[in-house]
Amino acid sequence: EAGVAQSPRYKIIEKRQSVAFWCNPISGHATLYWYQQILGQGPKLLIQFQNNGVVDDSQLPKDRFSAERLKGVDSTLKIQPAKLEDSAVYLCASSSGQFYGYTFGSGTRLTVV
Amino acid sequence: AQTVTQSQPEMSVQEAETVTLSCTYDTSENNYYLFWYKQPPSRQMILVIRQEAYKQQNATENRFSVNFQKAAKSFSLKISDSQLGDTAMYFCAFTLSGYALNFGKGTSLLVTP
Repeated sequence: EAGVAQSPRYKIIEKRQSVAFWCNPISGHATLYWYQQILGQGPKLLIQFQNNGVVDDSQLPKDRFSAERLKGVDSTLKIQPAKLEDSAVYLCASSSGQFYGYTFGSGTRLTVV
Repeated sequence: AQTVTQSQPEMSVQEAETVTLSCTYDTSENNYYLFWYKQPPSRQMILVIRQEAYKQQNATENRFSVNFQKAAKSFSLKISDSQLGDTAMYFCAFTLSGYALNFGKGTSLLVTP
């Protein structure tokens, strides 16, 4: 089966600019996650979707981050305006809902200068 | 809140030797799932091994095995016959059914010739 697709792979922007990341999960996976991984740390959950509804967004900085999952398939994560501390790898993962079904994409490395 | 602790930031092992990575976690729940993920420089999270808390038998996957001590809340990963391709970051992760993965800070493993 095809994996979780993410784009772009790399992005460099200036602070206060906006940026968007795209994720296409594995077909049929109802649950989609966005994680932020700062250099030297483990991934931290930003938001979890079940189909097109939000399950958990408690750690999403809602003043600057937004995410949507239209039609319960693809998802977009946006940052506006970006700050220097947003420099990180943004990982998307999807799950069939069962404990063995977490599959990760290759991530987007964001550098804010 | 569930926390995952990996107390070894870096480890090194010679090729063909055995190495054990430590992980402890904290939860008041009885039914949960534990994972070890490998993250090479390509950034993609790769599932190494998983364990269901209700199963007393330790999981094994080829050269990888775990020592799951539920009472001690410990979940260590043993890599036997280490290979150069095992060099990567290793993350321990915890989840409750239906929830996102909660990761530790990771252990950087270097396998030397």
